[in-house]
Amino acid sequence: GQNIDQPTEMTATEGAIVQINCTYQTSGFNGLFWYQQHAGEAPTFLSYNVLDGLEEKGRFSSFLSRSKGYSYLLLKELQMKDSASYLCAVNGNYGQNFVFGPGTRLSVLP
Amino acid sequence: EAGVTQFPSHSVIEKGQTVTLRCDPISGHDNLYWYRRVMGKEIKFLLHFVKESKQDESGMPNNRFLAERTGGTYSTLKVQPAELEDSGVYFCASSQDLGSAYEQYFGPGTRLTVT
Repeated sequence: GQNIDQPTEMTATEGAIVQINCTYQTSGFNGLFWYQQHAGEAPTFLSYNVLDGLEEKGRFSSFLSRSKGYSYLLLKELQMKDSASYLCAVNGNYGQNFVFGPGTRLSVLP
Repeated sequence: EAGVTQFPSHSVIEKGQTVTLRCDPISGHDNLYWYRRVMGKEIKFLLHFVKESKQDESGMPNNRFLAERTGGTYSTLKVQPAELEDSGVYFCASSQDLGSAYEQYFGPGTRLTVT
């Protein structure tokens, strides 16, 4: 079967750092994607990992360990606008669909 | 460049009625995906088009759902007859073939409510 797990909700303070974890078990692996989704809007792409290690992109970084089936999204210098749902998605096979986790709703407090 | 667009943004219909959702992908994107998110659940895959051909429709819940992509441009998803459990947000996404890795661009979704 295919399963992706994330914490349901997280809360952090403006200016802080937060790490959102994702664990996955899928029949294949062709990359792990992180998307941000504000309420009522389209999911927007944040980052992509296909090899082990850390990918840094401004305030956002994403880490992958394929042997552990584990990824995290790190958000630094949190801003109020970062309050959103963060979706972990795995592409099991090239050219095919994403399998999504349930999403983590992050609330950034002043 | 215009993003993925979906129409309508909201639809409220009665059980037993028919609804057709439309998705316009980013121009030039051969891959088009339909996903659905029902209340409190994760986004789930419905089907995948490559140009006008159905590549994978393993996620379609039953034969009340019919998707088409005539001409390989926009796609429609028809639900007939609609049932209460069909309520949710239907997302469309598109991508182009960039080799071994590619990003899917999502539309804003159509919120379907069946009463």
